[in-house]
Amino acid sequence: DAGVTQSPTHLIKTRGQHVTLRCSPISGHKSVSWYQQVLGQGPQFIFQYYEKEERGRGNFPDRFSARQFPNYSSELNVNALLLGDSALYLCASSFLDSRGEQYFGPGTRLTVT
Amino acid sequence: GIQVEQSPPDLILQEGANSTLRCNFSDSVNNLQWFHQNPWGQLINLFYIPSGTKQNGRLSATTVATERYSLLYISSSQTTDSGVYFCAVAGNQFYFGTGTSLTVIP
Repeated sequence: DAGVTQSPTHLIKTRGQHVTLRCSPISGHKSVSWYQQVLGQGPQFIFQYYEKEERGRGNFPDRFSARQFPNYSSELNVNALLLGDSALYLCASSFLDSRGEQYFGPGTRLTVT
Repeated sequence: GIQVEQSPPDLILQEGANSTLRCNFSDSVNNLQWFHQNPWGQLINLFYIPSGTKQNGRLSATTVATERYSLLYISSSQTTDSGVYFCAVAGNQFYFGTGTSLTVIP
């Protein structure tokens, strides 16, 4: 079975632009979560969706938004990009919510110049 | 939120040595996982272990939920074990520790 997939793998954007990152969960998984990992730190929780409803939101500004589609795939949108948004963005899927075992995708590396 | 502390932050081992990584957390949790992050950023699942003890080859883990800590044991380390090891716990969301960077030298 395919694991969690994310696209694109790498992305370079300019300050002020908008970006959309995509994630497809493992088949049968109903929960998708997004994380931001900056160099030298552990991943930080951004959003969790379960059964297409937002179940949790981390301490990120309103420039960050997400949604989950009927097929359980998800998008993370970031508006008005800042240099500090440069990071590895990770998506995880799980059959349950945060209580279930989380499986991570390979990530999207975003560079903002 | 739940605080997750990992120790040691850095560890250098000779190939064949054993090691113990520790994860302390500040509140009761519904889920605890250990991950290995490879140089390309992929988080690889090692253990899903909210409580108890599990073993997988040269790796084993123990979580004592009542005392709010978990241990990851690596025996007979190999160079391919190098990388960053993360502990993550779930309360209302998933919280990661700051990781242990392991380097195994031949």
